[in-house]
Amino acid sequence: ETGVTQSPTHLIKTRGQQVTLRCSSQSGHNTVSWYQQALGQGPQFIFQYYREEENGRGNFPPRFSGLQFPNYSSELNVNALELDDSALYLCASSENPGTTPKWYFGAGTRLSVL
Amino acid sequence: RKEVEQDPGPFNVPEGATVAFNCTYSNSASQSFFWYRQDCRKEPKLLMSVYSSGNEDGRFTAQLNRASQYISLLIRDSKLSDSATYLCVVIPLSGGYQKVTFGTGTKLQVIP
Repeated sequence: ETGVTQSPTHLIKTRGQQVTLRCSSQSGHNTVSWYQQALGQGPQFIFQYYREEENGRGNFPPRFSGLQFPNYSSELNVNALELDDSALYLCASSENPGTTPKWYFGAGTRLSVL
Repeated sequence: RKEVEQDPGPFNVPEGATVAFNCTYSNSASQSFFWYRQDCRKEPKLLMSVYSSGNEDGRFTAQLNRASQYISLLIRDSKLSDSATYLCVVIPLSGGYQKVTFGTGTKLQVIP
């Protein structure tokens, strides 16, 4: 396996609620990215963290926010959930993306917003 | 125009057949290219990198055409276990932040 773990695996929320998804990176990987994958689509980049700082962001509104901790684990927070937020949320970690841009994915959290 | 485009398929091929997928990208500054495989309701898994000179890994061959801005994946002697969605990934080379861009994926179904 990739060594990247995500929790929870499944989650059901209602519109307007807030959610926190968690990711534990592969050991030694200091960079993590989060993606949203809607049904039938490829993963869409949300943001990337490097050593606890956000250093890149995709086309997602501010209600999508994140944190990376000193042990390189991370969180994705989504406020004011909307129906369209229903998707598979993936995190991926990399050891040194600048020189070896290989990313290893967790199994994802499947979020359903009702 | 999408940054990375793939034919969503599905490609239905018999066992033993050879099948090829293409993926086009719009950013000429893109430097790193990969093929990922994603099984139904699972996470993407790295299949292979794509090098400028082309590269092979068993039954899989990947090629890059910078002039026309596309990459390809060729699968020979298809197996039932090859049934999956194949995602192409394009990354601009930089020292820090990388915007990893996925295509929508091409679905392959290998039929007995």
